[in-house]
Amino acid sequence: ELKVEQNPLFLSMQEGKNYTIYCNYSTTSDRLYWYRQDPGKSLESLFVLLSNGAVKQEGRLMASLDTKARLSTLHITAAVHDLSATYFCAVDVIQGAQKLVFGQGTRLTINP
Amino acid sequence: EPEVTQTPSHQVTQMGQEVILRCVPISNHLYFYWYRQILGQKVEFLVSFYNNEISEKSEIFDDQFSVERPDGSNFTLKIRSTKLEDSAMYFCASGMSQPQHFGDGTRLSIL
Repeated sequence: ELKVEQNPLFLSMQEGKNYTIYCNYSTTSDRLYWYRQDPGKSLESLFVLLSNGAVKQEGRLMASLDTKARLSTLHITAAVHDLSATYFCAVDVIQGAQKLVFGQGTRLTINP
Repeated sequence: EPEVTQTPSHQVTQMGQEVILRCVPISNHLYFYWYRQILGQKVEFLVSFYNNEISEKSEIFDDQFSVERPDGSNFTLKIRSTKLEDSAMYFCASGMSQPQHFGDGTRLSIL
């Protein structure tokens, strides 16, 4: 059974600082996704990583994928308050129908 | 930009009653999904639907759950005889390939 684990689960940081969220998964998959969720809201797609070594950047967020290590990272550069949210990684199960297995989520709070 | 729409946004139901959650996926998408998120917890896969049939379902998706695409545009999740532990946010998603696009969810509260 595919397991996806994120750490940390809670992260409180100051504006202007850098930090990284880690996502480990247990079985082979070449497709990993990062979603953002604001309180009481839906899941907003941030990044789709489809191959080993993939790196994508959008503003202050950068995501990478290492399929050999079964690890993805979401790096936050010079954090701003607007980035406060819960971030989920999800892995696509290749066999059978497409379905996403989500990590537990990282609740990010950015303080002024 | 096309989006997945879900109704109602909030449903309150007595335990033991049946509920139907409705979704309108993005029109040219072929894959449809239901996920649920218990308050404060991670998002869990329930079921995927393709070519008018269930393609995969999780252990959560037992006999009290069913899905239907009644008219070519709507995609529904029915929960028969609801239980307290069915209280959660239910998200519909659709996709052609990836990523899956999620609706805003239906908050289901079982009393």
